[in-house]
Amino acid sequence: TQLLEQSPQFLSIQEGENLTVYCNSSSVFSSLQWYRQEPGEGPVLLVTVVTGGEVKKLKRLTFQFGDARKDSSLHITAAQPGDTGLYLCAGAGSSRGSARQLTFGSGTQLTVLP
Amino acid sequence: DSGVTQTPKHLITATGQRVTLRCSPRSGDLSVYWYQQSLDQGLQFLIQYYNGEERAKGNILERFSAQQFPDLHSELNLSSLELGDSALYFCASSADGVNTEAFFGQGTRLTVV
Repeated sequence: TQLLEQSPQFLSIQEGENLTVYCNSSSVFSSLQWYRQEPGEGPVLLVTVVTGGEVKKLKRLTFQFGDARKDSSLHITAAQPGDTGLYLCAGAGSSRGSARQLTFGSGTQLTVLP
Repeated sequence: DSGVTQTPKHLITATGQRVTLRCSPRSGDLSVYWYQQSLDQGLQFLIQYYNGEERAKGNILERFSAQQFPDLHSELNLSSLELGDSALYFCASSADGVNTEAFFGQGTRLTVV
């Protein structure tokens, strides 16, 4: 069973601060995705990283995939109250085939205070 | 709007009962996934269907079953419900079973009383 650990579990910061969320595993993933979920809604895909060492930027969000494809980080610069939500990482198995289930981390609940 | 439609949005039922949750995937998506999200377990993968066939099974209880119909919509059947089955149930779809960029519906909140 592939497990993904996210840290921190909860994060409360002031508007304008920077933060980093980590997603770690002992397993290798073929790709890793980051989702953001708001209360009462389904997770919304933010980004997919595929190549070890890959860095992707989405406005103030920077995503990095570890060189060994076992871990990932999400860095938010100058956080805003609109960034508040549950951030989930999800890894796709490295085995080939037509079925790849996503393994989700437990999530980081981010609260950005105005 | 992800394009994935789930009904009903809320469901309250008694222990021992059976319910059916429905999911319509995004237009053109062949793969449907079901997930359960509870406070203590996070988002747990239950089962995947691809073009009508079961492709992957996760932590799905024997009391639960699913199917995908020729029009690609899917149903998740939960029977002999227990209090612990109370959770959010999400359906997600993707274009195929390999591209795992999944798009989630808004979920069905099931409360078992």
